[in-house]
Amino acid sequence: AQSVTQPDIHITVSEGASLELRCNYSYGATPYLFWYVQSPGQGLQLLLKYFSGDTLVQGIKGFEAEFKRSQSSFNLRKPSVHWSDAAEYFCAVASPGGYNKLIFGAGTRLAVHP
Amino acid sequence: DVKVTQSSRYLVKRTGEKVFLECVQDMDHENMFWYRQDPGLGLRLIYFSYDVKMKEKGDIPEGYSVSREKKERFSLILESASTNQTSMYLCASSKDRGSTDTQYFGPGTRLTVL
Repeated sequence: AQSVTQPDIHITVSEGASLELRCNYSYGATPYLFWYVQSPGQGLQLLLKYFSGDTLVQGIKGFEAEFKRSQSSFNLRKPSVHWSDAAEYFCAVASPGGYNKLIFGAGTRLAVHP
Repeated sequence: DVKVTQSSRYLVKRTGEKVFLECVQDMDHENMFWYRQDPGLGLRLIYFSYDVKMKEKGDIPEGYSVSREKKERFSLILESASTNQTSMYLCASSKDRGSTDTQYFGPGTRLTVL
């Protein structure tokens, strides 16, 4: 069965520091991978997605993620964090085709210190 | 822009009441989804629908039902609300049946069952 693990429940960084949020998945083949962000009181917004091709994916708000098949990982990165990046981040996996069912990780809550 | 709206942001109900949560999307999407979000568990799929009058169980359908009478509207029904259904409920939609792509989320309904 597919599963997603986000090992870090909470992360705190200083504004301007770099950020890496970890995501590991379990799936028999290459899945479709997503990162979503949820700002306080809001629904989820897509940051980026990987389906195939270049393993380094660029997203919105200056985020990028790298798919590493050998490590079953899809970590999210940002070189310089802004206070407005404080939010909860969810990694998700889906099998190609089918009915677009997503399996989400438990989420990582990011706090940004000034 | 795709817009997914949910009928209420906050809802308080009593144990045993019948509860309706409504979701409307305005982009003619085929697929619609209902998730519940709980701290430490991420998002879990309750039900989804890929066409009018069609529904499929997700991972946690017990205690819930759904209705999709029109393409743009997907309702989640709690036949007899219980305190363990206190949660954040998120609706989402995506474009094409049979393909995996971005899901667009509503702002969520925070339901409290007393």
